[in-house]
Amino acid sequence: AQRVTQPEKLLSVFKGAPVELKCNYSYSGSPELFWYVQYSRQRLQLLLRHISRESIKGFTADLNKGETSFHLKKPFAQEEDSAMYYCALSTPQLTFGKGTKLSVIP
Amino acid sequence: SAVISQKPSRDICQRGTSLTIQCQVDSQVTMMFWYRQQPGQSLTLIATANQGSEATYESGFVIDKFPISRPNLTFSTLTVSNMSPEDSSIYLCSVRLAGASSYNEQFFGPGTRLTVL
Repeated sequence: AQRVTQPEKLLSVFKGAPVELKCNYSYSGSPELFWYVQYSRQRLQLLLRHISRESIKGFTADLNKGETSFHLKKPFAQEEDSAMYYCALSTPQLTFGKGTKLSVIP
Repeated sequence: SAVISQKPSRDICQRGTSLTIQCQVDSQVTMMFWYRQQPGQSLTLIATANQGSEATYESGFVIDKFPISRPNLTFSTLTVSNMSPEDSSIYLCSVRLAGASSYNEQFFGPGTRLTVL
């Protein structure tokens, strides 16, 4: 069965520091992965999809099939990045990780 | 993207009653889903709403407890039946848009925050 693991429930970093939110997946097929973000009092919204290999709001994520990972990275954290981040695997239904709360300290 | 609206945005209900949540989308969609997000938890898929036929439920969810309708491509309802405090949660509608460029990505509604007393 498919599974998405986000090992960190909470991640606190200082403004300007690099950020890495970890995501590992388990799936026997060809994975299709996404990162979703939920800012305070806002709806869940799509941040990144692995297939488009894009950078959104300075965030990037690379699919590593050997390590079954899809970590989210940003070189310099900003206060406005504080939010809940969810990694999701499409099979095609979305399976979500438990989420990581990112807190950027001014 | 798509504009997804849900009604009601929140409700407080008594134990044993039922609540129907509506989801309306402004675009043609291929798939509609209902999720639950319990306090402090991640999202769990309840079911896939199928147009004109019975919904497809995930393990742990049954039609008697969560009846779903989808009379057309852009509208669906989820009913939470015979509620108990354990049903207190945020219920989210999610859609996948029609068209080859959608990459299987899903968009989410604002959610319905349900509190059962």
